[in-house]
Amino acid sequence: DVVMTQSPLSLPVTLGQPASISCRSSQSLVHGDGNTYLNWFQQRPGQSPRRLIYKASHRDSGVPDRFSGSGSGTDFTLNISRVEAEDVGVYYCMQGTHWPPGYTFGQGTKLEIK
Amino acid sequence: EVQLVEFGGGLVQPGGSLRLSCAASGFTFSSDSMNWFRQAPGKGLEWVSYISSSGTTIYYADSVKGRFTISRDNAKNSLSLQMNSLRADDTAVYYCARETGRSWGQGTLVTVSS
Repeated sequence: DVVMTQSPLSLPVTLGQPASISCRSSQSLVHGDGNTYLNWFQQRPGQSPRRLIYKASHRDSGVPDRFSGSGSGTDFTLNISRVEAEDVGVYYCMQGTHWPPGYTFGQGTKLEIK
Repeated sequence: EVQLVEFGGGLVQPGGSLRLSCAASGFTFSSDSMNWFRQAPGKGLEWVSYISSSGTTIYYADSVKGRFTISRDNAKNSLSLQMNSLRADDTAVYYCARETGRSWGQGTLVTVSS
């Protein structure tokens, strides 16, 4: 099975500063159809997850443009250009390329304000 | 506006059964695949089950295979998860989600305890 590894697991950031979260997969996430099925989710405290990025770099509707996704193959990154207070929460990457057996998530990265 | 509302959670004894439902609105339910995810208290996200838009293709995580059954009623815009032989490690908030997590419900808590 594909293993998703995120780093760091804890990310203290100063307001207005950039932040970066890494996600690495144990196998390439390039699907046979040419797409890369790597999503990023944000889960604010006490809330349901919200998808920010799909197919590695496509921003979902309504997601601020300070969020961006990049990467290919096995290495992916979620970048926040300028962290705001509302960005506090846990961020997860999830692969959907190797299917079945099913979607697999990274461990999560907890972003907090320094 | 897309809405997913889960209900049916609660406290159940080990070995017992529970049926979760998810009411969908605001999109063409019959066109989209659906998933159940879960999150144990203080833990990360875990995929549970997938059902295609027509209901003909179904997958389960190994941890629930043979015990859980996913189904949908496109006429009623409804998704269900029948959970049998429940164990303590099934305790979690269960979320229904559209496609690959494009939209999520608020979740329903299932507690398995004697």
